[in-house]
Amino acid sequence: EADIYQTPRYLVIGTGKKITLECSQTMGHDKMYWYQQDPGMELHLIHYSYGVNSTEKGDLSSESTVSRIRTEHFPLTLESARPSHTSQYLCASSDPLAGHLETQYFGPGTRLLVL
Amino acid sequence: GDSVTQMEGPVTLSEEAFLTINCTYTATGYPSLFWYVQYPGEGLQLLLKATKADDKGSNKGFEATYRKETTSFHLEKGSVQVSDSAVYFCALRGAPGGGNKLTFGTGTQLKVEL
Repeated sequence: EADIYQTPRYLVIGTGKKITLECSQTMGHDKMYWYQQDPGMELHLIHYSYGVNSTEKGDLSSESTVSRIRTEHFPLTLESARPSHTSQYLCASSDPLAGHLETQYFGPGTRLLVL
Repeated sequence: GDSVTQMEGPVTLSEEAFLTINCTYTATGYPSLFWYVQYPGEGLQLLLKATKADDKGSNKGFEATYRKETTSFHLEKGSVQVSDSAVYFCALRGAPGGGNKLTFGTGTQLKVEL
C-alpha cells in the first residue's frame, strides 16, 4: 500500500474562489506529480516536481500552480476557479532511486466541481 | 513520441468469463510497462508491471507479458469477478532522459455482471 493522501476528496465551490488541493506522501519520494482526469477518463499530466524547490509544467497547459517547499507536500492552487476547472485531480509520487523499477503511486484523488 | 493504445470499452463480461484487454505501445528504447486499475470514485492503483522484454507481471489473478516483438502488453484474467469492475489503464515509462514520465492509454472500462 502506498502512503499518499489527498484532501479534500470532494469539493464544490463557486466561480472565482481560490482553492488549494493538498497532496502529501510519507514515503520520502523525491518526485511528485499532478494529473487532471477528464470525464472521458483520460489522464493528463499538468505539473511535476523532481524535489524540493523544483516544479515543472506538464503536458497539458493548466491555470493552476504548484509549490514544493517540503519533500512530502505538493499542493496545487487555483487562484480563481472556473467551471472549466471541474475535473478529478490525481496526485502521485515515485522514487527515482528505484531505477528501472521506478513506479508511480497515486493518491485517492480530489473531485472538484466549480459552479 | 511515446504512445499507448488500448482497446476501447466498455467491455462487458459475465462472471467467470475470460478477460483480455489489449494494449500496444510505441516507444524508443526499452520502456517499462504498467497496468493500473481505478475503482469507482478512487485513484489509480498499480496492478502489475514489467520492466524488460518477456517479463510477466502478475497480481490478483491478472497477468500481462511484455512482448517486444509485437510491442504489446495485453492484460488477461482467467475468471473475472463482479469486484473486478473498474477502469484499467495501460502505461509506459520511457527510457531515462525523457523525465521518466508515464504515458497512459485512454483507459478501458470493464463491467462484470452476474
